[in-house]
Amino acid sequence: NAGVTQTPKFQVLKTGQSMTLQCAQDMNHEYMSWYRQDPGMGLRLIHYSVGAGITDQGEVPNGYNVSRSTTEDFPLRLLSAAPSQTSVYFCASSFTQTGGGYGYTFGSGTRLTVV
Amino acid sequence: AQKVTQAQTEISVVEKEDVTLDCVYETRDTTYYLFWYKQPPSGELVFLIRRNSFDEQNEISGRYSWNFQKSTSSFNFTITASQVVDSAVYFCALNDRGSTLGRLYFGRGTQLTVWP
Repeated sequence: NAGVTQTPKFQVLKTGQSMTLQCAQDMNHEYMSWYRQDPGMGLRLIHYSVGAGITDQGEVPNGYNVSRSTTEDFPLRLLSAAPSQTSVYFCASSFTQTGGGYGYTFGSGTRLTVV
Repeated sequence: AQKVTQAQTEISVVEKEDVTLDCVYETRDTTYYLFWYKQPPSGELVFLIRRNSFDEQNEISGRYSWNFQKSTSSFNFTITASQVVDSAVYFCALNDRGSTLGRLYFGRGTQLTVWP
């Protein structure tokens, strides 16, 4: 049981390049999400998915695309990287807990630098 | 408006001092869940506690304790006899019924530095 696996851990991109941050979970959680963490800003929601085939925008979606073709995978795509996308990215999966509410499992993060 | 406010950006203490990290939240829901996470220098998020809005009992886990007060919408975190290994960024977070399913609202974090 690996939990939530994010790859790569580090990445440097040039402005205008594209890339995909991978996120996979093996816990059969329905809900998955991507957050970005910037200094002094906490974690902000980029996109989320409530199940395979269903995605929606979070608080800061511009410049990012997602898809959810399977329950396990939720990749985040940067189509044309910009320096403003330099950040640490966290993928999370969540599940409903007995008694209500959600429990969360976070990946270890991807540190992305756009030069 | 911020749903979770951590007014302390940085705190520095000397080892063995007690330290309290403040968290104030905002929600209209009667059912909600509050969390604390620790982010050490290695960068991963470490889950510390989850508390639902119906359980106002304070909780203690070793040197850690949490004070939940619905009357002031606060969920403060105290570390007793701090240690250098407690140095980290601490995040408070909220999930409420008005949230997009499963979404967590995070505060901006408090950087705690414990000096030897």
